[in-house]
Parts: sequence; C-alpha cells; structure tokens
Amino acid sequence: SQTIHQWPATLVQPVGSPLSLECTVEGTSNPNLYWYRQAAGRGLQLLFYSVGIGQISSEVPQNLSASRPQDRQFILSSKKLLLSDSGFYLCAWSVKPTGFFSGPNSPLHFGNGTRLTVT
Amino acid sequence: AQKITQTQPGMFVQEKEAVTLDCTYDTSDPSYGLFWYKQPSSGEMIFLIYQGSYDQQNATEGRYSLNFQKARKSANLVISASQLGDSAMYFCAMSEGGNKLTFGTGTQLKVEL
Repeated sequence: SQTIHQWPATLVQPVGSPLSLECTVEGTSNPNLYWYRQAAGRGLQLLFYSVGIGQISSEVPQNLSASRPQDRQFILSSKKLLLSDSGFYLCAWSVKPTGFFSGPNSPLHFGNGTRLTVT
Repeated sequence: AQKITQTQPGMFVQEKEAVTLDCTYDTSDPSYGLFWYKQPSSGEMIFLIYQGSYDQQNATEGRYSLNFQKARKSANLVISASQLGDSAMYFCAMSEGGNKLTFGTGTQLKVEL
C-alpha cells in the first residue's frame, strides 16, 4: 500500500533562518506531488506541484521554493523565513489523471503535515 | 472569484441525526472533479468521497453521500447517522484539467450528544 511521510511534525524557526521540509512517498511510482499551506482556521492554498523529477510549478509568488530530486521525494525550502511563512504545511501525492471522459478523478493523499512557527 | 464556496463556517448536529454540508463551485470546464475531505483536530486530511462531472449518479461511501446538482453547481455532503467522531473540519475541493485541488474555506462540524 502507498504511504506518505512528512517531517518534521512541528518546527519553530527564527525569522531569517533557512527552511527545509521533506516529503517522501512509498508504494507508488511517478506520482504527482503537491505542497499546500493552511493558515490558522483557513482552507488550503496550493503552493507547488510537480508532475515529474525536476518539474516544479509554482502557484503563488512567495518566499518559498520546491524541488523534486527523486521520483518520490518533494522538498520545500526557503533561504530566509518571514513571519508570514508560519502555517501548517501539507504534502500530498496523487496518481496521474486517467481517462478522457472520467476527468480529473484521482484524490490527493496527504501527509500528516508540518506545523511551522516563525518567531 | 471564489471557485469553491462553503457558506457554513460552523454546524451543529445531534448524534445519530443526518447533516448536510453545503458546497457550491464555479467552473466553465465541462470536465472536473469534486472532493470532500475531513480534517480532525490532529490536522491530517482524510479523503471522504469523489464525484466526477460526468458521473450520472450521486457518489456514496458508507455514511457519506454527495448530493450533486450540476445545473446549480452544488455538491453538498450528506453525513447520515452522525457520530461523535465526525466532529471535524470538512473541506470541499474541486479539480479541473488535472489534479490541482482548489479548496473551500471549510465547515466546522460539531456532533453533540
């Protein structure tokens, strides 16, 4: 069965420090990978997604970057954290969409999230 | 413009009763998918149910059913026989032309004895 691992679970970092959050998927190959952020009491905002190694799409301009060095590894980074980077970060994976008429039908499967507090 | 709208920030329901969580969406793409997720206080996102735009019948998964009204662009989640463990945040989401889900702002459900 497929599993997704995301770490660390919680992180407290000072403003201006670097960030690296890692996400790995097991039990599947060539997944789509995603980074979402959830501000307190809000919905999820898509930050980055990747359809393959080295292929990263950014959804919103921000202080963060993402990389996919291996098929099942997705990394979220920042060179210098801002206070506004605080939030709950969720990694997710999905199989690629299948079927012309079935439409985008693959659910996203999420990791347990990282709660980041920038102080 | 909001693509996914959840107008109920909070809902209460008695244990064993049914509850409907509202979701409306906006898209001009004929091919799309609608999803519901549950987020307990621990934070993980749990996939509940999926409805494709071409599906003729409403999706059901155990106690969850999706009331899909395409002309009204609504995809309400119905939870039957509510349990205390159903207390959580519920998110409606939509995908268009791929798997990038756009989420609504969520509805906090509280199940009471």
